[in-house]
Amino acid sequence: EVQLLESGGGLVQPGGSLRLSCTVSGFTFSTYGMIWVRQAPGKGLEWVSGVSGTGTSTYYADSVKGRFTISRDNSKNTLYLQMNSLRVEDTAVYYCAKDANYGDPVNWFDPWGQGTLVTVSS
Amino acid sequence: SYELTQPLSVSVALGQTARITCGGDNIGSKNVHWYQQKPGQAPVLVIYRDSKRPSGIPERFSGSNSGNTATLTLSRAQAGDEADYYCQVWDSSTVFGTGTKVTVL
Repeated sequence: EVQLLESGGGLVQPGGSLRLSCTVSGFTFSTYGMIWVRQAPGKGLEWVSGVSGTGTSTYYADSVKGRFTISRDNSKNTLYLQMNSLRVEDTAVYYCAKDANYGDPVNWFDPWGQGTLVTVSS
Repeated sequence: SYELTQPLSVSVALGQTARITCGGDNIGSKNVHWYQQKPGQAPVLVIYRDSKRPSGIPERFSGSNSGNTATLTLSRAQAGDEADYYCQVWDSSTVFGTGTKVTVL
């Protein structure tokens, strides 16, 4: 069974940093692209970032470019999202999700993790 | 950047059919995928590549895509279908629709 489990969320002050992790099992992690998606309280889904299976290709939403860094450690079956210079508007539940096909994260996503809450507040 | 527009809400009587639209410029030339999200839960894929159903998704869920509109059709609506629904495409980045809240009356 494919499983994704996010961790690392919490309360952080504006300007601070946080690193999210997504640990996966049940599939060959290095083969598939992965993404991070966030959902602010009461709002819709917002794509944040994506990475190819090898980690060589990365993609970012304009809203986080230059502040967030996506990476992966295929030996540990873990996806990361390093978030720096956090803003109040980054407050959201952050989900990781697996691309359905090999390679780049350009397809549909299934399954998703349960999410981890990031709160940016003073 | 590419934008996907969905109606804010759709209401459907129990056992009837609901249609949720997703509008985008020439969306018919793209692959459209649909997700269901119930309160407090992660999104779940219900349709991929316009009209294909993942295993475990009831046949009551179907999809179509043409021109500037993609449509998710929910037949014989049940109380358990109440949820938010999002469309998604790839256009140089992953793009999600604005989301539609489906209420079953």
